Amino acid sequence: KQEVTQIPAALSVPEGENLVLNCSFTDSAIYNLQWFRQDPGKGLTSLLLIQSSQREQTSGRLNASLDKSSGRSTLYIAASQPGDSATYLCAVSGSGGYNKLIFGAGTRLAVHP
Amino acid sequence: NAGVTQTPKFRVLKTGQSMTLLCAQDMNHEYMYWYRQDPGMGLRLIHYSVGEGTTAKGEVPDGYNVSRLKKQNFLLGLESAAPSQTSVYFCASSYAQGGGRNTEAFFGQGTRLTVV
Repeated sequence: KQEVTQIPAALSVPEGENLVLNCSFTDSAIYNLQWFRQDPGKGLTSLLLIQSSQREQTSGRLNASLDKSSGRSTLYIAASQPGDSATYLCAVSGSGGYNKLIFGAGTRLAVHP
Repeated sequence: NAGVTQTPKFRVLKTGQSMTLLCAQDMNHEYMYWYRQDPGMGLRLIHYSVGEGTTAKGEVPDGYNVSRLKKQNFLLGLESAAPSQTSVYFCASSYAQGGGRNTEAFFGQGTRLTVV
């Protein structure tokens, strides 16, 4: 059974730091991996999608990498800002089809001025 | 472009009452999903649908039923609500896998349900 773990569970940093959020999964047979952002009381906003054949994706100050063989993905946030404060969720979809997502519990990020 | 829309946003039910949550998407996605989110846990899949008229069970289907009579709508029903069903419910949709399409999943804003 696929399990997704996110470390750390919570992170508090001063503004301007470069951050790395970690996601690990137990079954390397994935179809894709997706990173989401969730603000308190809100829905999930998709940040980056990495297909299983890709190694990384970039969007603005965000860069996500994927290493299927080791079952790991990292989300890199450059020059963090208070507006980046949110919970970041990692999810994988299995190669069995239908794009069913298995989620980690998330990393709660606080960026203070 | 509305994306994925859920109604209602909040609801309080008494134990044993029934209700239906509605999800609508305007992206012509084949796949639709219902997840629940509980404190300290990742989202868990309740039911999903790979096309109009089809539904399937996810990880935590007990106590819920679903229907997809139209491609753009996916309904989640609670026939007899229990306190254990207090949660935040999210609907999502995506294109089908294969054919080189982007299978990014899009989520609604959630429904916060409390069962007392």
